[in-house]
Amino acid sequence: KQEVTQIPAALSVPEGENLVLNCSFTDSAIYNLQWFRQDPGKGLTSLLLIQSSQREQTSGRLNASLDKSSGRSTLYIAASQPGDSATYLCAVPGSNDYKLSFGAGTTVTVRA
Amino acid sequence: KAGVTQTPRYLIKTRGQQVTLSCSPISGHRSVSWYQQTPGQGLQFLFEYFSETQRNKGNFPGRFSGRQFSNSRSEMNVSTLELGDSALYLCASRTGDGEAFFGQGTRLTVV
Repeated sequence: KQEVTQIPAALSVPEGENLVLNCSFTDSAIYNLQWFRQDPGKGLTSLLLIQSSQREQTSGRLNASLDKSSGRSTLYIAASQPGDSATYLCAVPGSNDYKLSFGAGTTVTVRA
Repeated sequence: KAGVTQTPRYLIKTRGQQVTLSCSPISGHRSVSWYQQTPGQGLQFLFEYFSETQRNKGNFPGRFSGRQFSNSRSEMNVSTLELGDSALYLCASRTGDGEAFFGQGTRLTVV
């Protein structure tokens, strides 16, 4: 059974600082890994999808890396802004299905 | 292009009642999955439908059921509601390369 862990559980930084969010998973036989953002009481917004053959993916200020062999992914957010305050979740599908297993998330607060 | 649409956004039901939630996937997406999110358990997979067939089911009691129609729209039903069923129910549709897109969710409160 896939277990996904996210560390830290919460993070508070001043505006402008770079953010580093970690995600680890126990079964390295994954098709892909997806990072999401969730604002309070809202649905999940897809940020980045990394296929298993990729090492990293970038979108604007966001960069995500994937190391399948060690079961880790890292999401970097450059030059954080108060609007980046949210909970960030990583998710991986099963080895033979698309059932997503989620981490508990990292709640980020960016102080103005 | 419209995103995943879930209706209703909010529901308040009484214990013992049943409820039906609706999800319209992104146009062209044939896979629809349902998840339950609670503060204590986080996000948990309920089931997945593809071309009107349930392909996968999570570890939930039989009170939770779903279906998918020929236009890929999906419904989820919960019968004999319990207080513990209070949660945010999220629906997702998926592209061919596996990227999942979620709706805004339905907040169900059981009183």
